[in-house]
Amino acid sequence: RKEVEQDPGPFNVPEGATVAFNCTYSNSASQSFFWYRQDCRKEPKLLMSVYSSGNEDGRFTAQLNRASQYISLLIRDSKLSDSATYLCVVNMGTALIFGKGTTLSVSS
Amino acid sequence: GAGVSQSPSNKVTEKGKDVELRCDPISGHTALYWYRQRLGQGLEFLIYFQGNSAPDKSGLPSDRFSAERTGESVSTLTIQRTQQEDSAVYLCASSPSGLASYEQYFGPGTRLTVT
Repeated sequence: RKEVEQDPGPFNVPEGATVAFNCTYSNSASQSFFWYRQDCRKEPKLLMSVYSSGNEDGRFTAQLNRASQYISLLIRDSKLSDSATYLCVVNMGTALIFGKGTTLSVSS
Repeated sequence: GAGVSQSPSNKVTEKGKDVELRCDPISGHTALYWYRQRLGQGLEFLIYFQGNSAPDKSGLPSDRFSAERTGESVSTLTIQRTQQEDSAVYLCASSPSGLASYEQYFGPGTRLTVT
């Protein structure tokens, strides 16, 4: 079983749609969780950290379920500029373990 | 302020040659990481430096790969006797601390092509 698994997509949605991405991780000792965003041929950038209580940043909501080892990202009112690959990331002490990413394409 | 910089941005080399990739972290960041991203794949951890501690080399794929870091500044990743499967984007990241909760800031990467 891969350490961090994501549905690769692509998710093709119209502007204004709500879209949800899921991620599972295999190591129950994982300490920190993140969603990073990677635009085409660019470096990854932190989108948001994920906390057990769930957290929201504008149109983005992240949830963590430690019992199920499951992380989610919800994007509301999608914008064209949200088109990117979203990487689920788990930290088990030092290095970040990246999922392969879920590609989102928002169209007008 | 200045972000993480990497050089060269692109490198084309012949199979069997050695290459050296450079990373300049954000000033003051004690932690530095190297990752590899093959086309269409996720990021693979290669090596981690934290201050003056011994580096975590657990991600290096073979003994052809090595990395050094001088104090808390520049790092170089060296690939000896390059193979075609080494073709990838090599990303460097730095962080204010090696603690798990800190964000990692990535450089733009070096795109390596081995012909």
